[in-house]
Amino acid sequence: AQSVAQPEDQVNVAEGNPLTVKCTYSVSGNPYLFWYVQYPNRGLQFLLKYITGDNLVKGSYGFEAEFNKSQTSFHLKKPSALVSDSALYFCAVRRGDNKLIFGAGTRLAVHP
Amino acid sequence: DTGVSQDPRHKITKRGQNVTFRCDPISEHNRLYWYRQTLGQGPEFLTYFQNEAQLEKSRLLSDRFSAERPKGSFSTLEIQRTEQGDSAMYLCASSPLAGSTDTQYFGPGTRLTVL
Repeated sequence: AQSVAQPEDQVNVAEGNPLTVKCTYSVSGNPYLFWYVQYPNRGLQFLLKYITGDNLVKGSYGFEAEFNKSQTSFHLKKPSALVSDSALYFCAVRRGDNKLIFGAGTRLAVHP
Repeated sequence: DTGVSQDPRHKITKRGQNVTFRCDPISEHNRLYWYRQTLGQGPEFLTYFQNEAQLEKSRLLSDRFSAERPKGSFSTLEIQRTEQGDSAMYLCASSPLAGSTDTQYFGPGTRLTVL
């Protein structure tokens, strides 16, 4: 069965420091991986996706993610965190029938 | 705004009442999805449509839940005889094509509270 794990409930980082939000996956076949962000009382906003090709994927708001097949990981990164990046981040894997399977989410807190 | 829209944004109801939510997808998106998100969890798939056809329903979708997309445009999700366990955020998403790589774009959600 396909699944996604986000091992950290919360990540704390100081503004201006690099941030990493971790995601590991378990799928059969080639994974299609996504990152979404959710602000309070809002829906999910698409950040980026990996389908094939370069392992480093660039997305919205300066975020990027690195696909690592051997470690079955798809960690979200940003070189310099902003306070406005504070939100809930979800990693997801897409099944062949188009359903998204989400992780439980990681709360990112960026402190001034 | 040409994104996915949902109505209402919030709904408070008493146990046993029926509720209906509406989702308007991005124009010309032929796939429409419903997800449910409870506090502290990621969204869970409920059902999806390609045009007006409902192609899959999750086991989470009990007989009290029904979804329609009569003309292949907007969709409604109805919950009959609501229970406190139905309290959640109901999210709608749409995608443009029938390919497995297409991105799903989400609406703001409808937060349901069952008293």
